[in-house]
Amino acid sequence: QLVESGGGLVQPGGSLRLSCAASGFTFSNYWMSWVRQAPGKGLEWVANIKQDGSEKYYVDSVKGRFTISRDNAKNSLYLQMNSLRAEDTAVYYCARDSEFVSCCGFFDYWGQGTLVTVSS
Amino acid sequence: DIQMTQSPSTLSASVGDRVTITCRASQSISSWLAWYQQKPGKAPKLLIYRASSLGSGVPSRFSGSGSGTEFTLTISSLQPDDFAIYYCQQYNSYPRFGQGTKVEIK
Repeated sequence: QLVESGGGLVQPGGSLRLSCAASGFTFSNYWMSWVRQAPGKGLEWVANIKQDGSEKYYVDSVKGRFTISRDNAKNSLYLQMNSLRAEDTAVYYCARDSEFVSCCGFFDYWGQGTLVTVSS
Repeated sequence: DIQMTQSPSTLSASVGDRVTITCRASQSISSWLAWYQQKPGKAPKLLIYRASSLGSGVPSRFSGSGSGTEFTLTISSLQPDDFAIYYCQQYNSYPRFGQGTKVEIK
């Protein structure tokens, strides 16, 4: 099970930190990803992180603004979002990614999502 | 970046119809392709991975085929629960989704 939290309303230029609590599987065995969906739009992969946190990848539109991290001791995934823009408004999903050493994979488990709204 | 293009964007069909959705990659992705189903207000659900492997608990009326740059998702006999939006996703490189195909009631 994956449960996201931390979404809400934030002004443009502001910051927000999303969390995802994982249970029911060995969290440290998997890459983990954040995927977002703007209102009425399709799915967009945002970032992922390797099992030990040593590799992180981002979609171009969030590079330098978002930071993905994880705490395997707490079975938790995070997304620190800075310099937020209106176009970052979306439901953000936490998803279980590949179990292999190399990036990347498909997403077999998803959280319920948390809504981030960037507006003044 | 690898671009994923789905067709059609919208598909109107009736219960019992055989339905096929196509996904094309801008370059070869071998068989590193997944399909998802999404219903309104819900998270996506994995249907197919590695182009043709059925996800856990997914009904056998769903099937996937293809390799390289062209892939299909087929629903052999459309059921009322299948009206939804379907997405393909490549994972040969950084994950990228298609734009989605909405399957609606005819």
